[in-house]
Amino acid sequence: DQQVKQNSPSLSVQEGRISILNCDYTNSMFDYFLWYKKYPAEGPTFLISISSIKDKNEDGRFTVFLNKSAKHLSLHIVPSQPGDSAVYFCAASPTGTASKLTFGTGTRLQVTL
Amino acid sequence: DTAVSQTPKYLVTQMGNDKSIKCEQNLGHDTMYWYKQDSKKFLKIMFSYNNKELIINETVPNRFSPKSPDKAHLNLHINSLELGDSAVYFCASSQSRPTRDEQYFGPGTRLTVT
Repeated sequence: DQQVKQNSPSLSVQEGRISILNCDYTNSMFDYFLWYKKYPAEGPTFLISISSIKDKNEDGRFTVFLNKSAKHLSLHIVPSQPGDSAVYFCAASPTGTASKLTFGTGTRLQVTL
Repeated sequence: DTAVSQTPKYLVTQMGNDKSIKCEQNLGHDTMYWYKQDSKKFLKIMFSYNNKELIINETVPNRFSPKSPDKAHLNLHINSLELGDSAVYFCASSQSRPTRDEQYFGPGTRLTVT
C-alpha cells in the first residue's frame, strides 16, 4: 500500500524551461511534505518543505504547491539547469509524528542543453 | 566536516554472516534514522531513535538490531544475512524540537549479499 506516489518515473526538460514534478498521497493524516533531491551514489538532500496550513512555499528557483483537497503536491523548478538533473523524491509525515517520513518512488529529472 | 557519515560505503558478504553498519552525525541532532532503499528504489524507514530511545520500529525482521550508544551515533547490526537484505541503507538525522525539521541523510551503504 503505497501512500505516497510519484507516477512519472522520469521527466526530460530543456535547460531554462520549467520542470514540474508531481506527487499524490492517500493518507489524510499527512500534514507535512518535503521534496528531496538525490544524485547517484549520494544520500538524498533536502530541497523544500510545506506544511498543510499553506498551499505554496517558495525558495529561489524551487516552489512547492499543495492541493489538500486533491491530495496532490507539485514541485516547480524555474528555470531548470543541467545541475538539477537528479532523482527527486516526495515525502510526507503525519500529524503528531514529526519523524516518520513516507517516501514516493522518485522521479528522475534530466535537464538537457 | 561531513554532517552524516556512514561506514562502510560498500559491503559485500555471504549469506548467513553477521555485519554492522555505523552511522555518525555531527549536527547536534537528537533524532537518528535508518532507511532501506530496495532494488525498486523504494526508500522505507526501518528505525528511528530520539535521544537514544527507540521511537519508530517498522516491520523489520528481528535479525536487524539498531544500537544507539549516544545521540550522535546509530549503528545497525544485521544477523544471519539473507539475499533479500541486499539494498542501500541510509542513515539520517534531524532535530525534532522546537519545530519539525528536515532529515539529513548520509551517503548510504550498499550491501550486497551473495
